[in-house]
Amino acid sequence: GAGVSQTPSNKVTEKGKYVELRCDPISGHTALYWYRQSLGQGPEFLIYFQGTGAADDSGLPNDRFFAVRPEGSVSTLKIQRTERGDSAVYLCASSLGGRTTGELFFGEGSRLTVL
Amino acid sequence: KQEVTQIPAALSVPEGENLVLNCSFTDSAIYNLQWFRQDPGKGLTSLLLIQSSQREQTSGRLNASLDKSSGRSTLYIAASQPGDSATYLCAVPTYNTDKLIFGTGTRLQVFP
Repeated sequence: GAGVSQTPSNKVTEKGKYVELRCDPISGHTALYWYRQSLGQGPEFLIYFQGTGAADDSGLPNDRFFAVRPEGSVSTLKIQRTERGDSAVYLCASSLGGRTTGELFFGEGSRLTVL
Repeated sequence: KQEVTQIPAALSVPEGENLVLNCSFTDSAIYNLQWFRQDPGKGLTSLLLIQSSQREQTSGRLNASLDKSSGRSTLYIAASQPGDSATYLCAVPTYNTDKLIFGTGTRLQVFP
């Protein structure tokens, strides 16, 4: 597609529920990133994929968070047993290369609210 | 551990002014530095990417400089316009990692 697409744009859920957030990167981009942004803060790194594999998942806050990219394009961020502290905007980005060449292009984000 | 700081946190200027946004980082071993713009409730838009071997990059009214040894970058906006109002973020990937470390941003308001 023309840009990074994220769905849903808004998700309201109850504490304890399971949610999935989807990211469709720019066609041909092999690198895909998930970030989380709280109000008034810069984005915080969660996980990075190069192709199908998670090259760096050191930013995932705990084992309730998991992400997949089975075919090397679309990625899904999965959050189990959601907590109120998970409320944030979840941003996805993609780039052609990785760390050395990669200008990152971000989607509009998925705003998650946990009640 | 890489830390990125942006000064000022907020800035309000009249239209037409030239202005400078500052970004500093603690670990100078970086591949590149990227400046982004974020409008309220929106994602990030890439403005400029400076490779570590470069000193500056220009795009229209924007000019970004990089002094890797001193851990600093500046974003210069010439002849500011109300449409420039947004939050500006800088980010660096630390050497040997794939993470972008972001500053907390400078919130810019340009009034007519």
